[in-house]
Amino acid sequence: KAGVTQTPRYLIKTRGQQVTLSCSPISGHRSVSWYQQTPGQGLQFLFEYFSETQRNKGNFPGRFSGRQFSNSRSEMNVSTLELGDSALYLCASSLRNPNYGYTFGSGTRLTVV
Amino acid sequence: AQTVTQSQPEMSVQEAETVTLSCTYDTSESNYYLFWYKQPPSRQMILVIRQEAYKQQNATENRFSVNFQKAAKSFSLKISDSQLGDTAMYFCAFMNSYSGAGSYQLTFGKGTKLSVIP
Repeated sequence: KAGVTQTPRYLIKTRGQQVTLSCSPISGHRSVSWYQQTPGQGLQFLFEYFSETQRNKGNFPGRFSGRQFSNSRSEMNVSTLELGDSALYLCASSLRNPNYGYTFGSGTRLTVV
Repeated sequence: AQTVTQSQPEMSVQEAETVTLSCTYDTSESNYYLFWYKQPPSRQMILVIRQEAYKQQNATENRFSVNFQKAAKSFSLKISDSQLGDTAMYFCAFMNSYSGAGSYQLTFGKGTKLSVIP
């Protein structure tokens, strides 16, 4: 059974550019969440989707956006990249209620130069 | 807003020994969920154990067990018979039980780096 797949694993972008990260959840999982991990701020919640609807959003600027497709695959987009956006972006999926726990992917390491 | 505090940035333990990682949290809710996640150098967060706040019984998963003290808002993780593969960052996390705004999100502590020494 395939796990949560995130692509790409590594990404280097220039300040001011935009980036799209992709996440394929475990087959059958309908809830997908995104987290940002940095040494300074730790793990912070970005947003959560269920059946193509955003149910919850963290405290991030509008430059951070996401969406979920009918096959539950999800993408997140960051526009006008800043140096502070350099981080590990983790995607997680859950079969039903996320209260049962999430399965995480290995993340996308984004470096903004 | 909920907060999760892990007071031990780093810990080490001899192989085959037992170690306990501490976690405290702050919430005004009466029902919620608590988790311990492990993040090895491979970066993938792995669910270690889950506890439902309304259940009195402490959760156990093989060598991993928790000491859940609801009144004290404490949720410590005990690892028995430590193995080299247990070397990782360990994160304590909180999730509300209600639906609506603020739901379905994990609030993480800063983590404890555990090293298992041969």
